[in-house]
Amino acid sequence: EAAVTQSPRNKVTVTGGNVTLSCRQTNSHNYMYWYRQDTGHGLRLIHYSYGAGNLQIGDVPDGYKATRTTQEDFFLLLELASPSQTSLYFCASKGVAETLYFGSGTRLTVL
Amino acid sequence: GEQVEQRPPHLSVREGDSAVITCTYTDPNSYYFFWYKQEPGASLQLLMKVFSSTEINEGQGFTVLLNKKDKRLSLNLTAAHPGDSAAYFCAVSADTGNYKYVFGAGTRLKVIA
Repeated sequence: EAAVTQSPRNKVTVTGGNVTLSCRQTNSHNYMYWYRQDTGHGLRLIHYSYGAGNLQIGDVPDGYKATRTTQEDFFLLLELASPSQTSLYFCASKGVAETLYFGSGTRLTVL
Repeated sequence: GEQVEQRPPHLSVREGDSAVITCTYTDPNSYYFFWYKQEPGASLQLLMKVFSSTEINEGQGFTVLLNKKDKRLSLNLTAAHPGDSAAYFCAVSADTGNYKYVFGAGTRLKVIA
């Protein structure tokens, strides 16, 4: 079973704060994704990557940066957090047969 | 880009009843279709998948139907039980090599014993 680990599980910050969400997968998957989940919207794609050093823009990228430092590690950066970015964030990696494997999620609250 | 509409947003059924969740999509190049299940407070787990070469897939008490002509994907639960209570999301991806997955907004299913 593919393993995707996210940290932290919960994060509270203030408006204008700097936040980094971490994701690590240990299955040598090429593709990794960051989604946000909000009631009424399902999961929306923020950024994704197909390998170290690569970044692809998702559907809701404004206010977010991301960096894929290694095959295993994908980070989501909020440099000036706003209350509209309060959400549940999921990282995922793509395994065989196009299946996505999700982490446990990070709940971010921006006050 | 691809748009996916999922209905209904909420569904409540009695144990033993059937339930149907439907997604419609817009991109005719869509090729990969998935249903994910999310139990309360948990992450998403793959429930079922169907690719363009198949129209029906069955398993775990669910049936997935794909109608490419109407661009409609449905998840049919034939006999619901309380363990099926969860949120269900469809996901769609085109066969264009960019591996973007677009999700529906989700259906919160409640099965009443």
